[in-house]
Amino acid sequence: QEQLVQSGAEVKKPGASVKVSCRASGYTFTSYDINWVRQATGQGLEWMGWMNPNSGDTDYAQKFQGRVTLTRNTSISTAYMELSSLISEDTAVYYCARGRWEPNFDLWGQGTLVTVSS
Amino acid sequence: EFVLTQSPRTLSLSPGERATLSCRASQSISSTFIAWYQQKPGQAPRVLIYGASNRATGIPNRFSGSGSGTNFTLTISRLEPEDFAVYYCQQFGSSPLYTFGQGTKLEIK
Repeated sequence: QEQLVQSGAEVKKPGASVKVSCRASGYTFTSYDINWVRQATGQGLEWMGWMNPNSGDTDYAQKFQGRVTLTRNTSISTAYMELSSLISEDTAVYYCARGRWEPNFDLWGQGTLVTVSS
Repeated sequence: EFVLTQSPRTLSLSPGERATLSCRASQSISSTFIAWYQQKPGQAPRVLIYGASNRATGIPNRFSGSGSGTNFTLTISRLEPEDFAVYYCQQFGSSPLYTFGQGTKLEIK
């Protein structure tokens, strides 16, 4: 079945970087966009960025410009989100989500908890 | 910056009742670009509606969406126990590419 499987929870110190992976299976990875969305505890959903896995094109929310980098490895159907210069406010669950042309996010990863703490 | 405002923030209803959730956009958008999601505690969101009124695969027909311009609505005709969750609207635009509303919590009265 179609699924997105994310890497496990991370604990990072302020100022560090984190890289979260999102492996796609059950569908053609390069045929659909991948988006990244985060959610702090008890808070709403925040869109971070978008990537076209076929071309590698990206677009980032202005809030994260310069701190977030989206990449992919098509040979293993995996997308990556790297966030740098972490602060405590970056503590959140990070989701990857497949984007459809309709448009909407029809397939989500299970989420990766990133905790930023000294 | 584009903003989606959802109301009410919390809605308290009983099973069997009708729920009406609102999503207002800060500027007019095509209905093609509005989606609704349901999120339960500890789970990833799930798409319910796309293109303002199209039910996603597997979504029961008690869920319906409507609206145009700046005002969009998600209606749940008769609440089932499993419908109590948080609901988000989402828009696709140009800058930023996607925006979510702040969510409406639908709780059991």
